[in-house]
Amino acid sequence: ETGVTQSPTHLIKTRGQQVTLRCSSQSGHNTVSWYQQALGQGPQFIFQYYREEENGRGNFPPRFSGLQFPNYSSELNVNALELDDSALYLCASSLGRGGDTQYFGPGTRLTVL
Amino acid sequence: DAKTTQPPSMDCAEGRAANLPCNHSTISGNEYVYWYRQIHSQGPQYIIHGLKNNETNEMASLIITEDRKSSTLILPHATLRDTAVYYCIVRVNFGNEKLTFGTGTRLTIIP
Repeated sequence: ETGVTQSPTHLIKTRGQQVTLRCSSQSGHNTVSWYQQALGQGPQFIFQYYREEENGRGNFPPRFSGLQFPNYSSELNVNALELDDSALYLCASSLGRGGDTQYFGPGTRLTVL
Repeated sequence: DAKTTQPPSMDCAEGRAANLPCNHSTISGNEYVYWYRQIHSQGPQYIIHGLKNNETNEMASLIITEDRKSSTLILPHATLRDTAVYYCIVRVNFGNEKLTFGTGTRLTIIP
């Protein structure tokens, strides 16, 4: 059984740029949730995808967008990067429409300069 | 906002049982108690969850009080690798219910 993987591990961008983060869900899982974790804080929910459709969204602006592909992998896109977007970005996969246990990947550390 | 209250930090001697408390006095009847832990800068690791009965797996035991207003996560024989931030979360198990993390308990295992 393959766990949740994320790429890249680390990323450095400058303010105003755009970034794409990737997540491969655990084998057999069809739901992916994305979280942002600022330094010293708990993860904050960004949005969730179930079978390629958005299935819930947290309090994040529209410049945070996502996709889920037929193989249930997912992308998180952030446009017009701001300094406060510097954080650990986590994805979690689960089976079913969001109600099952979520299993997290190792995260992508994004630094915006 | 998180629906749980946890002490910000705890210490435990290596080899002893670590007992991490969590208060969730406003928990609803259909909400489960979940525990995750996060070792420095890694993704959160699922530990255990339960509704009202006590639960045990290879990692830990979860004791939920009869009124469900509080719970305790027990790591029976703590090792240095158990040093982490432990999060107690309540959520329903249907729909698009997200995980709402609080600030957790920073558990330090002392050699």
